[in-house]
Amino acid sequence: DAEITQSPRHKITETGRQVTLACHQTWNHNNMFWYRQDLGHGLRLIHYSYGVQDTNKGEVSDGYSVSRSNTEDLPLTLESAASSQTSVYFCASSDREGFTDTQYFGPGTRLTVL
Amino acid sequence: GDSVTQMEGPVTLSEEAFLTINCTYTATGYPSLFWYVQYPGEGLQLLLKATKADDKGSNKGFEATYRKETTSFHLEKGSVQVSDSAVYFCALSVPSGTYKYIFGTGTRLKVLA
Repeated sequence: DAEITQSPRHKITETGRQVTLACHQTWNHNNMFWYRQDLGHGLRLIHYSYGVQDTNKGEVSDGYSVSRSNTEDLPLTLESAASSQTSVYFCASSDREGFTDTQYFGPGTRLTVL
Repeated sequence: GDSVTQMEGPVTLSEEAFLTINCTYTATGYPSLFWYVQYPGEGLQLLLKATKADDKGSNKGFEATYRKETTSFHLEKGSVQVSDSAVYFCALSVPSGTYKYIFGTGTRLKVLA
């Protein structure tokens, strides 16, 4: 069965360190997304990608970067981790253009920045 | 701008009670509307969706009707079970050249046996 996986599932790091969260999907979807989930804010979009070599900023992109070198993977990098980036991070993918279709979510990565 | 507003939680119900979770939206175009569910420790998964006015989405006993006149997409279930305990997110997507997929803040449902 197709799926979307994230690793690690839990991560503790220190302020100032670079951290990369992995996202891998086997749906063969063109669109991929990174969200963060915080109490009282729901899901907020960090970055998204229409396809290989394409990346775009979302509403909370400061301090984060992504790259898309193939269809299956969209790693999220925190360049210099800050305590404000403690959150649960979800990767998602979808198929059709225009983003009107269902999004398929990974299980999430809980990141703690000390 | 486009937005989704859903009722504050938590909502606590006894098993077999009737459930309504309110969701209203603001959108400039003709959105598709979604309900996602998040079980503890998991990612979100689609529960149901509706793509045009008066459509009814349904799944697992849950229903929601796309009401353009009231800009609403309320989630209902006639008889909840303990296994329905989860966080429910209303979302909309507006067709455009750029990303426009907006989630509500989520409503936590707790069902007691």
